[in-house]
Amino acid sequence: ELKVEQNPLFLSMQEGKNYTIYCNYSTTSDRLYWYRQDPGKSLESLFVLLSNGAVKQEGRLMASLDTKARLSTLHITAAVHDLSATYFCAVEMNYGGSQGNLIFGKGTKLSVKP
Amino acid sequence: EPEVTQTPSHQVTQMGQEVILRCVPISNHLYFYWYRQILGQKVEFLVSFYNNEISEKSEIFDDQFSVERPDGSNFTLKIRSTKLEDSAMYFCASSDHSPLHFGNGTRLTVT
Repeated sequence: ELKVEQNPLFLSMQEGKNYTIYCNYSTTSDRLYWYRQDPGKSLESLFVLLSNGAVKQEGRLMASLDTKARLSTLHITAAVHDLSATYFCAVEMNYGGSQGNLIFGKGTKLSVKP
Repeated sequence: EPEVTQTPSHQVTQMGQEVILRCVPISNHLYFYWYRQILGQKVEFLVSFYNNEISEKSEIFDDQFSVERPDGSNFTLKIRSTKLEDSAMYFCASSDHSPLHFGNGTRLTVT
């Protein structure tokens, strides 16, 4: 059974600081996603990481994937209040067969304070 | 930018009643999904649908659930006899390959 674990689950940061969210998963998968969710809203796709060593950056967020360690990181640089949200990583089950069965982590609720 | 649309945004129903949640996926997408999120918990896969049939379903998707693509644009989730524990946010998603694009969700409240 594929398990996806994120940590921390709650993160309170000051503006301007850096921090990293970790996502570990238990079985082989070469496709990992990061989503953002604002309270009461939908899931917004941030990154799709497809291969070992993949690194993607968008603004103050950078995501990486190490398939050998089964680890992805989401790094936040110089946090601003607008980044406050819940961040989910999700790993795709059975890639190559049916697709879109994503196993989500529990999410990291990020709060950026002035 | 094209988006997945879901209706209604909020549905309240009594236990034992049937509900139908509706979704209009992005028009050129071929893969459709339903996920749910119980309040404050993680997002869980329910079912995927491709080429007019279910391609995969989770343990949650038991006999009380069904999906249908009744025409060329809509994708529906039916819950036959709702239970209190079905209260959740239900998200529809679609994709051509990746990533999945999620709708804004339908909040289902079973009383």
